[in-house]
Amino acid sequence: EAQVTQNPRYLITVTGKKLTVTCSQNMNHEYMSWYRQDPGLGLRQIYYSMNVEVTDKGDVPEGYKVSRKEKRNFPLILESPSPNQTSLYFCASSFSDTREQFFGPGTRLTVL
Amino acid sequence: GENVEQHPSTLSVQEGDSAVIKCTYSDSASNYFPWYKQELGKRPQLIIDIRSNVGEKKDQRIAVTLNKTAKHFSLHITETQPEDSAVYFCAATHPGQNFVFGPGTRLSVLP
Repeated sequence: EAQVTQNPRYLITVTGKKLTVTCSQNMNHEYMSWYRQDPGLGLRQIYYSMNVEVTDKGDVPEGYKVSRKEKRNFPLILESPSPNQTSLYFCASSFSDTREQFFGPGTRLTVL
Repeated sequence: GENVEQHPSTLSVQEGDSAVIKCTYSDSASNYFPWYKQELGKRPQLIIDIRSNVGEKKDQRIAVTLNKTAKHFSLHITETQPEDSAVYFCAATHPGQNFVFGPGTRLSVLP
């Protein structure tokens, strides 16, 4: 089944404790992206990747890191999480940046 | 960079009526304009998209119109049904540019 998977789905952590949210797709998509969703603000792009080893900042990259070592995986790293990073996070993938994006199920992160 | 505004933020219609959601964008280089639907507790899913070389696109009860001169595009849903109740997001981008969504419109279809 073609899909985008994210793990974990829910995470409660404390300020400063490094965490990684994994994202994987099995559709051979070149483009992958991370978004955060907050009430009233819609979906805001954090980072995106046009292909392996190519990553670019979105609108809200501060406090996040990403890597794209393999085509199928695009992990999101929070090296020192803060409460303002409490949000719902979505990973998405697509054949290109101007084609349909397929979203993962979301990761609800709470930073205390 | 690109900025996308979306109106209204909430919209209630009677079942069977039409609903229209409007978006404006700032970057004249943007040439791809998708619309995503997000049902409660679910992930966003594409419902329709339009590129700058066409002015209108239709798919059954859903249509999107684009006015490049005015830099705005609209989603039209006809004969609304309860299952159309969701949050709708517009977006604008062009190749190599980051992807920018509007803040969303919560549509409620009342029986």
